[in-house]
Amino acid sequence: AQSVTQLDSHVSVSEGTPVLLRCNYSSSYSPSLFWYVQHPNKGLQLLLKYTSAATLVKGINGFEAEFKKSETSFHLTKPSAHMSDAAEYFCVVSVFSSNTGKLIFGQGTTLQVKP
Amino acid sequence: EAGVAQSPRYKIIEKRQSVAFWCNPISGHATLYWYQQILGQGPKLLIQFQNNGVVDDSQLPKDRFSAERLKGVDSTLKIQPAKLEDSAVYLCASSLVLRDNEQFFGPGTRLTVL
Repeated sequence: AQSVTQLDSHVSVSEGTPVLLRCNYSSSYSPSLFWYVQHPNKGLQLLLKYTSAATLVKGINGFEAEFKKSETSFHLTKPSAHMSDAAEYFCVVSVFSSNTGKLIFGQGTTLQVKP
Repeated sequence: EAGVAQSPRYKIIEKRQSVAFWCNPISGHATLYWYQQILGQGPKLLIQFQNNGVVDDSQLPKDRFSAERLKGVDSTLKIQPAKLEDSAVYLCASSLVLRDNEQFFGPGTRLTVL
C-alpha cells in the first residue's frame, strides 16, 4: 500500500536560513509525489510534483525537492526562508487503481519562520 | 480562471443536527473530490466523483454522510446526524480527468459540532 511519512511535525527556522522538510514514502511501484502548502484559512496549493521525469523537481516560491529511490525519500528544501513561508506543508503520494485516482496525505509539517 | 468555490466557510451546529456543504469545481473539471481534514492531520478522501457518478466512496461513513453531484457540476456533502467527531475542515477538490495527478482545492468549510 502507498503511504507517506513526514518525519517532523514542526520545524522552526530563522528568516534567511535554509529549510528542510523531510518525507519518506512507501510504494509498490514508481510513485507520483507532491508537496502541497496550506496557509491559515486558505486552500491547499500545489508547490511541486514528481512524476518520474527529472529527480530534482523545482516548484514555486523557490522550493525544490529531490526524489531518491534508494532512500525512498522526497525531501523539500529552500535555500533561504522567508516570513511568508510559514505554513503547513503536506507530502502526498498519488494512488491509482483500475478506475480511481486519489491522493494520500502525510500528517503535515508546520513550518515556523522566526525574524 | 476561477478556482474551486465552497460555502459556507464556517458552520457551527449542535450534535445530532444536520448540515450541508456546497462545492462548485473549476469549469470543465470532470472529477470532484471531498476530503475531511481533522485538526492536526492531513486531509482524508471521503468520496470521489467522475462526472455525476461515484467512483470511490470506501471511506465515507454512509450511515450519516451522503453526497451527490447533480448534472456533473456542483456537489453537496451532507451529514445527518452530526457527531462531535465530525468537527473538521471539509475540503472540495477537482481535477480535469479521473487519473489526473493534479487536484485543485477550495478554501474549505470549517465545521464545529458542539
